[in-house]
Amino acid sequence: EVQLVESGGGMVQPGRSLTLSCAASGFSIDGYAMHWVRQVPGKGLEWVSGINWNSARIAYADSVKGRFTISRDNVKNSLYLQMNSLRIEDTALYYCAKDRRRSSSEITCADYWGPGTQVTVSS
Amino acid sequence: EIVLTQSPGTLSLSPGERATLSCRTSQRVSGIYLAWYQQKPGQAPRLLISGTFTRATGIPDRFSGSGSGTDFTLAISRLEPEDFATYYCYQYDTSPYTFGQGTKLEIK
Repeated sequence: EVQLVESGGGMVQPGRSLTLSCAASGFSIDGYAMHWVRQVPGKGLEWVSGINWNSARIAYADSVKGRFTISRDNVKNSLYLQMNSLRIEDTALYYCAKDRRRSSSEITCADYWGPGTQVTVSS
Repeated sequence: EIVLTQSPGTLSLSPGERATLSCRTSQRVSGIYLAWYQQKPGQAPRLLISGTFTRATGIPDRFSGSGSGTDFTLAISRLEPEDFATYYCYQYDTSPYTFGQGTKLEIK
C-alpha cells in the first residue's frame, strides 16, 4: 500500500526557516516525480514545487521561488522541502504527493497524497 | 503563470442529477496536461481524471472529462451521495503548475 507521511511542520516566526520531510512506504520513489502542495484551511489548493525522479527537473510556484528548495533522497525513500525566509502567507497544510507517471522526465499530476503537516508562520 | 478559473463557485444539485463543472484556462493548455481532483473535508485530494479524459484507477465511469484549448469540463452523470465535495482542475502543461479555485458541489 502506498503511504506518504509528512513531518517537520510547526509554528515558526516570520523570516525563520523550516524543513519538511516526507517518508514514503509501499513503493520506491525512485522513478517517480514528487510534489509539494499546500492548502490554507478552508481555502483552495496551491501547487508549491515538483521534482522529477532524478532531480534533473525542478519547478517552483512563483510565490516560493528563491525561498524554498525541494530535494529528494531515493535511497532513503524520502522527499524534502527546505523553507527559508518564511512569511505569514506561507501558513498552510503542506501535502507531499507522488506523481502518477513512472520513469518520466516530466513532472505531471499526483495520484497519492499524504495527510499533510501544518506550518504556521506567526510572530 | 496560467490561471485556471472554475465555474460555478458552488453548485447545488440533488442525488441522481447530472453535474457539469467548468474550468477555463488563461492560456491554451494541451489536453494531455489537464487533471481533475476531488476533495472532501478533512481529507487529501483524490485524483479523478488526468489527460483531460482518463479516469484514475478505481474512479467510477459516471465521472467523465472533456475539453480542449482553454475550456475543460468535468461531468458527473448521476450524482451519488458520496460525490458531494469540492472539485479542482489542475494544469501541468506549463510551470508553475496551477490549480483552479475549486467548485463546491453541495446537496440541494
